[in-house]
Amino acid sequence: GESVGLHLPTLSVQEGDNSIINCAYSNSASDYFIWYKQESGKGPQFIIDIRSNMDKRQGQRVTVLLNKTVKHLSLQIAATQPGDSAVYFCAENMNNNAGNMLTFGGGTRLMVKP
Amino acid sequence: DGGITQSPKYLFRKEGQNVTLSCEQNLNHDAMYWYRQDPGQGLRLIYYSQIVNDFQKGDIAEGYSVSREKKESFPLTVTSAQKNPTAFYLCASSLTGNYGYTFGSGTRLTVV
Repeated sequence: GESVGLHLPTLSVQEGDNSIINCAYSNSASDYFIWYKQESGKGPQFIIDIRSNMDKRQGQRVTVLLNKTVKHLSLQIAATQPGDSAVYFCAENMNNNAGNMLTFGGGTRLMVKP
Repeated sequence: DGGITQSPKYLFRKEGQNVTLSCEQNLNHDAMYWYRQDPGQGLRLIYYSQIVNDFQKGDIAEGYSVSREKKESFPLTVTSAQKNPTAFYLCASSLTGNYGYTFGSGTRLTVV
């Protein structure tokens, strides 16, 4: 997971505010990106994904933005709630003959203050 | 419902013992993976298998072994050669191709 990194290891936000978690990737050949949420003591859960032919994708309260020019990925969470407190991982996949191999970032801890 | 199951949730091992962590999936996924996670850290790849009866070492395979005799199962053995085995172990599976992984709920291994 060395090619995917995060700018902020910990992000603290007020309940109700919007959160933005950033991720930089270095492999320009990557064409599929995913955000995972991991709560304490649990396995990572899929949040949202985006393929390289898109620059934005929206889910319920979450939006992923992809900027291929600067190799940057971000996760936006609207109206952040206490239940959003977790560690968030980005992951990238380069579609090659090595099979389905995701490269994970180091993670950002999101802390929501009541 | 389809899913991926890891057992046990907690496991205690005496020094010098081998232990085996179970991972079973009924998602009909071809690929399976084992990751290690230390407190406050990211995921490190131990072993992966893209197809039955075949597996490859990941970044930190030393002290671990796996088998893939069935599509549904990918057990991980933590051997006595692993000097620092206390960690949270995550199993995942995926379809072949450009897809995300489905993770299990993890096994927390502690050496006592």
